[in-house]
Amino acid sequence: GENVEQHPSTLSVQEGDSAVIKCTYSDSASNYFPWYKQELGKGPQLIIDIRSNVGEKKDQRIAVTLNKTAKHFSLHITETQPEDSAVYFCAGANDNDMRFGAGTRLTVKP
Amino acid sequence: DAGITQSPRHKVTETGTPVTLRCHQTENHRYMYWYRQDPGHGLRLIHYSYGVKDTDKGEVSDGYSVSRSKTEDFLLTLESATSSQTSVYFCAISGQGAPLSLETQYFGPGTRLLVL
Repeated sequence: GENVEQHPSTLSVQEGDSAVIKCTYSDSASNYFPWYKQELGKGPQLIIDIRSNVGEKKDQRIAVTLNKTAKHFSLHITETQPEDSAVYFCAGANDNDMRFGAGTRLTVKP
Repeated sequence: DAGITQSPRHKVTETGTPVTLRCHQTENHRYMYWYRQDPGHGLRLIHYSYGVKDTDKGEVSDGYSVSRSKTEDFLLTLESATSSQTSVYFCAISGQGAPLSLETQYFGPGTRLLVL
């Protein structure tokens, strides 16, 4: 089955700086890679996703890149704000299996 | 939370007792999922359902059973709770396509379960 590893486990940045979270996956059949943001006491919420036929996707301050050859994908947040502070999860999925990374706790210091 | 509710939101129980968690959706989505979330493990799939009375096992199904008698309700049962099942449980739903790789999953608010 799929195995997804996520780094770093914690990340602290200054407001306005960029944050990058990286994930690697093991199953070459995986073709869908969502990113979720989880705030304290709430369920995860999808913030962006990418499919294997696309190399990069942007949505305002958030971007995701995918390198299928190397089996890794990354989340980039630019101009970070204190409200970006949360736990972020990556996931990799094929038709039968979705596995999540262990999560990254992002803290944005004002 | 995309029309998904979970009940109860918090529960404390004792080892060996049965526990049932309920997920209710108002979106008429076909697929429903139960995950558990533990520190250092992210979210792990327990069971999922692809229609009424149609369910399948996920990554960590041992010790859990599920039932779906109506489109809107998906129940997770711990037949005899153990301390290792202390966790936060999330329900998720997705739409009409194939599971996992074609449809965005929307998560409920979670149930925090403590087994003493």
